[in-house]
Amino acid sequence: EIVLTQSPGTLSLSPGERATLSCRASQSVSSSYLAWYQQKPGQAPRLLIYGASSRATGIPDRFSGSGSGTDFTLTISRLEPEDFAVYYCQQYGSSFWTFGQGTKVEIK
Amino acid sequence: QVTLRESGPALVKPTQTLTLTCTFSGFSLSTSGMCVSWVRQPPGKALEWLALIDWDDDKYYSTSLKTRLTISKDTSKNQVVLTMTNMDPVDTATYYCARAYFDWLLGGYYFDYWGQGTLVTVSS
Repeated sequence: EIVLTQSPGTLSLSPGERATLSCRASQSVSSSYLAWYQQKPGQAPRLLIYGASSRATGIPDRFSGSGSGTDFTLTISRLEPEDFAVYYCQQYGSSFWTFGQGTKVEIK
Repeated sequence: QVTLRESGPALVKPTQTLTLTCTFSGFSLSTSGMCVSWVRQPPGKALEWLALIDWDDDKYYSTSLKTRLTISKDTSKNQVVLTMTNMDPVDTATYYCARAYFDWLLGGYYFDYWGQGTLVTVSS
């Protein structure tokens, strides 16, 4: 089973700054099978990025995804106040889905 | 408009069986590519995938919980049911159901709509 490790655990930034979140897989993952979700306190997760780099419907273009193989990145180009949340990567492989442990983006 | 809603007991005792129902609207589980999945989240912790059922009635389970989980669907009622046996306090979590769709172009599954979740506490 593939394990996803996200780093850093917490990212302290100010509004307007750039956020770079990492997701590393224990073995190679098809880019098509990698997604990112955002979760705010008390809310359900929201799909941000699928297929490693495609934005889901309604997601602003300040969110972008990249990567391949075992290393994937979610970038938020300029943080807005509503972007402070926890972000999870997720992969699908061999009929199993796994999530990373999450990265919290907090206001500095 | 796609909506999902989880229902079930808020409190179960250790060793009991948990039964959760996901009632959805805005899509059909008989449509090719459509799936419903269950995901849980212990308080303050990360998301954990549990199970998925697809349009063809194929079922997939978390390796670590496979022996305790059963997922089923009632297409006519637009419902998916998850049962988890032998509940333990460590199973205390918010349980979410989510629509997953299979992207025929990319070949992956993506969880694009989620219910609000239901908190299940396991305690005697």
